[in-house]
Amino acid sequence: GENVEQHPSTLSVQEGDSAVIKCTYSDSASNYFPWYKQELGKRPQLIIDIRSNVGEKKDQRIAVTLNKTAKHFSLHITETQPEDSAVYFCAPPGATNKLIFGTGTLLAVQP
Amino acid sequence: GAGVSQSPSNKVTEKGKDVELRCDPISGHTALYWYRQRLGQGLEFLIYFQGNSAPDKSGLPSDRFSAERTGESVSTLTIQRTQQEDSAVYLCASSSGYPGNTIYFGEGSWLTVV
Repeated sequence: GENVEQHPSTLSVQEGDSAVIKCTYSDSASNYFPWYKQELGKRPQLIIDIRSNVGEKKDQRIAVTLNKTAKHFSLHITETQPEDSAVYFCAPPGATNKLIFGTGTLLAVQP
Repeated sequence: GAGVSQSPSNKVTEKGKDVELRCDPISGHTALYWYRQRLGQGLEFLIYFQGNSAPDKSGLPSDRFSAERTGESVSTLTIQRTQQEDSAVYLCASSSGYPGNTIYFGEGSWLTVV
């Protein structure tokens, strides 16, 4: 099955700084790479995703980059704001479309 | 429906009792997932239904856990003889079933076993 690891597990940044979270996966059949954000007490929600035929995708302050050769993809948040504070999960589906979530990264943005 | 609906939203039960959690996916979604999330922890995969295929039950932690789905609609997750370690949020999600399609989560069922 798919092994998914996220680094770091916690990340604290000052408001306005950038944050980068990396997701490493094992199943080379993965061709879809989503990131989910879960605010405290809320459900996870998709914030950005990328498909294997694209190396980078950007949506305002967030971006995702993919390195299929090395089997990792990263979430980049620029100009961080307090409302970016949450837990972020990656969930590459692998060959079966069964989403296995990473262990999560707790991002704290200090005002 | 407009979104994934789960019930009950909160359940407190005594150790040893059985509980049933219900999930109503988005209409037309063929894929349905159950996850467990303990306080402060990640999302633990439990079971995955895709259309009429046999469900992937590889994440169910013990034989006290079972789930069923009626066609491509409602699913129930049953926990028999509940234990305190079963206390968690149980999240249901659904998607159109095509690889790479967004999955949408329900609000979750908060289970507390006392």
